[in-house]
Amino acid sequence: QSALTQPASVSGSPGQSITISCTGSSSDIGNYNLVSWYQQYPGKAPKLVIFEVTKRPSGVSNRFSASKSGNTASLTISGLRSEDEADYYCCSFSRITTVMFGGGTKLTVL
Amino acid sequence: QVQLVQSGAEMKRPGASVKVSCKASGYTLTGYYMHWVRQAPGQGLEWMGSINPNSGDTKSAQQFQGRVTMTRDTSTNTAYMELTRLTPDDTAVYYCAKDRGQWLVFVYVMDVWGQGTTVIVSS
Repeated sequence: QSALTQPASVSGSPGQSITISCTGSSSDIGNYNLVSWYQQYPGKAPKLVIFEVTKRPSGVSNRFSASKSGNTASLTISGLRSEDEADYYCCSFSRITTVMFGGGTKLTVL
Repeated sequence: QVQLVQSGAEMKRPGASVKVSCKASGYTLTGYYMHWVRQAPGQGLEWMGSINPNSGDTKSAQQFQGRVTMTRDTSTNTAYMELTRLTPDDTAVYYCAKDRGQWLVFVYVMDVWGQGTTVIVSS
């Protein structure tokens, strides 16, 4: 089964908001509230920023928020800052493959 | 603090095997599932599998079944991932990552990651 579908890249100016989508199916996102999002800087390990669709781990900025509708999950970053420039990956439980990642989205802060 | 420290970079010939270690500190290995995830150069994240460090039970992604073995040593709080019959396509950074679920409730959320182990497969 293919990875969850994310846009390859998104961009925004400082202070703006951006949203990254993550599309799956009824085998994963659509029927399970087990979507998480990870931020990854070049050469670094990923960092958890959202879990269980909407929850933020302690220490993650409240500029990060997320939601889900049908088979699509979304990550929104508001008040964009230069340090938000990174790759972002969605991840979901899948009843077919157990765990599935999205292909990743490169966020550029203009 | 909770930390995962992985073994160093490896260079292997095609057909060989590699075993990566992941030493946990700040918590008891047997209390949380452990995931293994890899990332090929310039590519995305790929889930390889998970282990219940208490029972030793494992679940691996279909594409790795028969080639990956996940184990643990509870006396040293260390998890291991061995991948056999390596090909150049296995060149990647390999990560261990702790599952967030307490009391071995598997929640499929990776809240602490190791620093990664680079494995290069080349003749």
